[in-house]
Amino acid sequence: AAGVIQSPRHLIKEKRETATLKCYPIPRHDTVYWYQQGPGQDPQFLISFYEKMQSDKGSIPDRFSAQQFSDYHSELNMSSLELGDSALYFCASSRTVSTQPSYNEQFFGPGTRLTVL
Amino acid sequence: RKEVEQDPGPFNVPEGATVAFNCTYSNSASQSFFWYRQDCRKEPKLLMSVYSSGNEDGRFTAQLNRASQYISLLIRDSKLSDSATYLCVVTADRGSTLGRLYFGRGTQLTVWP
Repeated sequence: AAGVIQSPRHLIKEKRETATLKCYPIPRHDTVYWYQQGPGQDPQFLISFYEKMQSDKGSIPDRFSAQQFSDYHSELNMSSLELGDSALYFCASSRTVSTQPSYNEQFFGPGTRLTVL
Repeated sequence: RKEVEQDPGPFNVPEGATVAFNCTYSNSASQSFFWYRQDCRKEPKLLMSVYSSGNEDGRFTAQLNRASQYISLLIRDSKLSDSATYLCVVTADRGSTLGRLYFGRGTQLTVWP
């Protein structure tokens, strides 16, 4: 079965540089989520999109922005990178946002490991 | 206070053992509950959704107690391949934050031969 695709898998940047992470959800999934997982931490919600509109915003720095495109893929843009941005960035997708538990099952991509030097 | 609290372990058990993990959540209006497993440096993988009546999938049994805001996962006949971190996860109840996952810190399990 098709899974969530993320690119690149690894990224090394210098401080103050910019980075763009891409996410391709599972086909027919219309909701995309971004999470950040620091070393030894649990994943923290950043932002989500439903039908190409931002649906929820969590602890995402103002230096970061994201969008979902007409083909449902999403990009996370990160500017003025700081050392503390080094983390695993996961994208997840689900069929839709709903009060039905099964619809909220989120499937994660393999992640992008960002290292800021 | 975190939305989801878990005993971090570690749990070290022999093959064939039965092991149980517990977690509690703080938002009484939470709607959806899950157990994910995460291997080192890899993505969380959905293990089970947890339903009010409890549910079983092979060697895995999940229980939900809404009154106590308590979720459990039981693993029977542990295999070496069960070694991983188990994440207790809940979603927000409604409105604009519906769908956002809240993770516990995870419980580390090592199964030894």
